[in-house]
Amino acid sequence: AQSVAQPEDQVNVAEGNPLTVKCTYSVSGNPYLFWYVQYPNRGLQFLLKYITGDNLVKGSYGFEAEFNKSQTSFHLKKPSALVSDSALYFCAVRFFGGGNNRKLIWGLGTSLGVNP
Amino acid sequence: NAGVTQTPKFQVLKTGQSMTLQCAQDMNHNSMYWYRQDPGMGLRLIYYSASEGTTDKGEVPNGYNVSRLNKREFSLRLESAAPSQTSVYFCASTGGGNSNQPQHFGDGTRLSIL
Repeated sequence: AQSVAQPEDQVNVAEGNPLTVKCTYSVSGNPYLFWYVQYPNRGLQFLLKYITGDNLVKGSYGFEAEFNKSQTSFHLKKPSALVSDSALYFCAVRFFGGGNNRKLIWGLGTSLGVNP
Repeated sequence: NAGVTQTPKFQVLKTGQSMTLQCAQDMNHNSMYWYRQDPGMGLRLIYYSASEGTTDKGEVPNGYNVSRLNKREFSLRLESAAPSQTSVYFCASTGGGNSNQPQHFGDGTRLSIL
């Protein structure tokens, strides 16, 4: 079955330290991978995506993510966390298994807390 | 740019009442979606519309109906609200001819059913 896992419900880091939010997936074929961020009382905002090419993709607000095909992972990273990065982060995967291919499979989200 | 606009932002209903959640996008997107977000359950797809004139069920369609009124607008209707439908509802849209485009979200409708 197609699935996306965000193994950590919550991640806490100190401001200025690097952060990683993990995502692994299980889909057939070559997936399209996305990261979104959700601030309180707001909708989800797109951060970055991997479609093909360079395994390291850069996105908004200084975030980047590394696609690892052998480990079926797409971890979100930032070299130096800010308090304002505190939010809920979602990983999503689009797969091509027949039918409408515009649907996404969503992880359950990881709450990131950055401590001053 | 307004992007995706949802109305209302908040609503309280009594069990058995009906209501329609409205969604409009100004990005000329073909595909539109309705999700619900509940604590610990992430986003669950209720219905989607791949293009104007088509709608399809998602993961949790029971108790809901949708209408793709035109290319801009995609509404979600609760015919007889139940407490289990208390949730935050998000509308999203995506465009382009390829499926590598991200979805754009509204800011949600917070719905409480008593």
